[in-house]
Amino acid sequence: SQQGEEDPQALSIQEGENATMNCSYKTSINNLQWYRQNSGRGLVHLILIRSNEREKHSGRLRVTLDTSKKSSSLLITASRAADTASYFCATDRAAGNKLTFGGGTRVLVKP
Amino acid sequence: DVKVTQSSRYLVKRTGEKVFLECVQDMDHENMFWYRQDPGLGLRLIYFSYDVKMKEKGDIPEGYSVSREKKERFSLILESASTNQTSMYLCASSSLRWYSYNEQFFGPGTRLTVL
Repeated sequence: SQQGEEDPQALSIQEGENATMNCSYKTSINNLQWYRQNSGRGLVHLILIRSNEREKHSGRLRVTLDTSKKSSSLLITASRAADTASYFCATDRAAGNKLTFGGGTRVLVKP
Repeated sequence: DVKVTQSSRYLVKRTGEKVFLECVQDMDHENMFWYRQDPGLGLRLIYFSYDVKMKEKGDIPEGYSVSREKKERFSLILESASTNQTSMYLCASSSLRWYSYNEQFFGPGTRLTVL
């Protein structure tokens, strides 16, 4: 079952613009993670935010978490062509070692 | 550099064949996972293993089995491949240590086509 749902499903922007994508989930979580997948490859971990955190930064990435709304957002600032990829949120459920992944947002950054 | 490797990047098999997908990790991780990824459906967990010889069904285990005889190796088996198992298969591993926060490390994926 899909715990995390990303929005939008696809996003097309010009190089230099910011890209924002959202993730909603249904049950309580320990943490929420964002992953990137380049075309036809495996996923790469980008950033993790714990349930007691509200905002986190890593380079050009900014993640927010609102546990009252059960939602998170990922902002990529000053996008580059190399940011073209699919982005997935994954929730770490309160019990167990498994992650539940959303359907992903496909981001196209045009040069 | 941490590594999860999968035995094949591309695989073409015939309906009814027995298919083995192998995954090896070199990080001494306890947990290993098999997912399949289909357009519009995201990643769906097939099976999960938290220790040698231990396995747990994921969300879509039907038609699949797994084997974990050694800590570093987790195999996915399609007993009798069918066309609806044509998909991208992703292996991942993670550590049980508390500070890992269940971050998963993925292999490059195997794109399986069943004809």
